[in-house]
Amino acid sequence: DAKTTQPNSMESNEEEPVHLPCNHSTISGTDYIHWYRQLPSQGPEYVIHGLTSNVNNRMASLAIAEDRKSSTLILHRATLRDAAVYYCILRQRGGSEKLVFGKGTKLTVNP
Amino acid sequence: NAGVTQTPKFQVLKTGQSMTLQCAQDMNHNSMYWYRQDPGMGLRLIYYSASEGTTDKGEVPNGYNVSRLNKREFSLRLESAAPSQTSVYLCASSPLGMDKNIQYFGAGTRLSVL
Repeated sequence: DAKTTQPNSMESNEEEPVHLPCNHSTISGTDYIHWYRQLPSQGPEYVIHGLTSNVNNRMASLAIAEDRKSSTLILHRATLRDAAVYYCILRQRGGSEKLVFGKGTKLTVNP
Repeated sequence: NAGVTQTPKFQVLKTGQSMTLQCAQDMNHNSMYWYRQDPGMGLRLIYYSASEGTTDKGEVPNGYNVSRLNKREFSLRLESAAPSQTSVYLCASSPLGMDKNIQYFGAGTRLSVL
C-alpha cells in the first residue's frame, strides 16, 4: 500500500471549517483515497472515500488534487464531537484486505 | 442495528493464561478482521477472514489463533498470553461489492497482560 503523510495535529474552533491535508505522492491510478476517524475510546469510523472527483456526504467533503498527489478532508462546521484522530489511507482497487493506518492527524476542537 | 459488537470491553490476564475475544456483526458482511492498536504503531492486522470458512494471516499473527464460527462471528484466541500482547484489539467487518473497501469497526477490547 502506498504511503500517506499527514500533520501530527491540528486545532480548530467550534463552528469553523476545518481542512485536513494528506499527501500521497506515490499514489497509483487504481488507489482509492479513504478517510477514517477515531474518536476517543472507540474504534475507527469510515468518513468518506474517492478516486478522482471531489466527493461529498453527510459527514464531510473530500477534495482531491488534479494530479491526485494530495487530498483534503473538509469538515464544514466543526463541532466538539469532531475531535478525533483522522486517518488518510490509500486502498488499491481489488487489492489486499487490510487497511494500513498511519499515525493520522489529531484534531482538537476548541469551544 | 448493533453493527460490530466486541466482548469483553476490558480484560486483565496473567502471563500464560488463555482467553478468547469475541466479535459479532449483524450487517451480513462477508469479510471480518482482527487488528491490534498500540501507541505509536497505528493499527496492525492480525488475521482476517474473507468469507465464512476461510481465514488468513495478517502482519502480526504470532501468538494468536482465530475461528470464523459462522458468517456473523469471528473470534480471536490467545493461547498463552504474554505482556507484549497488552493492547487494544479491534474487530471489523466489510461487505462484498462496491462497498467492499469500507470497514466497520467495533469499539474494541482493552487487554492488559500482567
